Amino acid sequence: DAGVTQSPTHLIKTRGQQVTLRCSPKSGHDTVSWYQQALGQGPQFIFQYYEEEERQRGNFPDRFSGHQFPNYSSELNVNALLLGDSALYLCASSSERQSYGYTFGSGTRLTVV
Amino acid sequence: AQRVTQPEKLLSVFKGAPVELKCNYSYSGSPELFWYVQYSRQRLQLLLRHISRESIKGFTADLNKGETSFHLKKPFAQEEDSAMYYCALSGWNRDDKIIFGKGTRLHILP
Repeated sequence: DAGVTQSPTHLIKTRGQQVTLRCSPKSGHDTVSWYQQALGQGPQFIFQYYEEEERQRGNFPDRFSGHQFPNYSSELNVNALLLGDSALYLCASSSERQSYGYTFGSGTRLTVV
Repeated sequence: AQRVTQPEKLLSVFKGAPVELKCNYSYSGSPELFWYVQYSRQRLQLLLRHISRESIKGFTADLNKGETSFHLKKPFAQEEDSAMYYCALSGWNRDDKIIFGKGTRLHILP
């Protein structure tokens, strides 16, 4: 089991562009949460997807949107990129049917120039 | 407001000395509390949960509801304990988000 996989691992974008990050959850997991981790900070909750719907959202603008597919994989989209969006984006998966357990991916390092 | 505070950004401890990583929280109600660890070049992983009352890699954490603290302790530090440690909390519903502190870098000196 590869656990949670995220792609790409690194990405450089220009201010104003749009970006899509991808996450495949751990086998058996059906819930995906996204976090932003700026340098020197702890992970900040962006949103969570379950049954293809966003069911929790953190304090992030509408430029941040997501999607979950029937196979439970998920995408994070960020529009109109700002320099401040540069961060490590983490995906975590969990299961509604099992006792608590968040499994994190290695993250996507996004640099906005 | 829900918040996790880790007052130390960096903690340097000699090998064999006791370790205490501080964590204080703010939450309306009784949260579920965790410690996560990130070793160099590895992904974030769960170290322990307060309800399991386990000792993982020699670490323990006691919940003090009166002081709203959840400090992480180890009696004798080992070099492999060097890592970033994050204290975190969540509600008890499965859809509750996890809120992380800013983390403390633990550096074990030889």
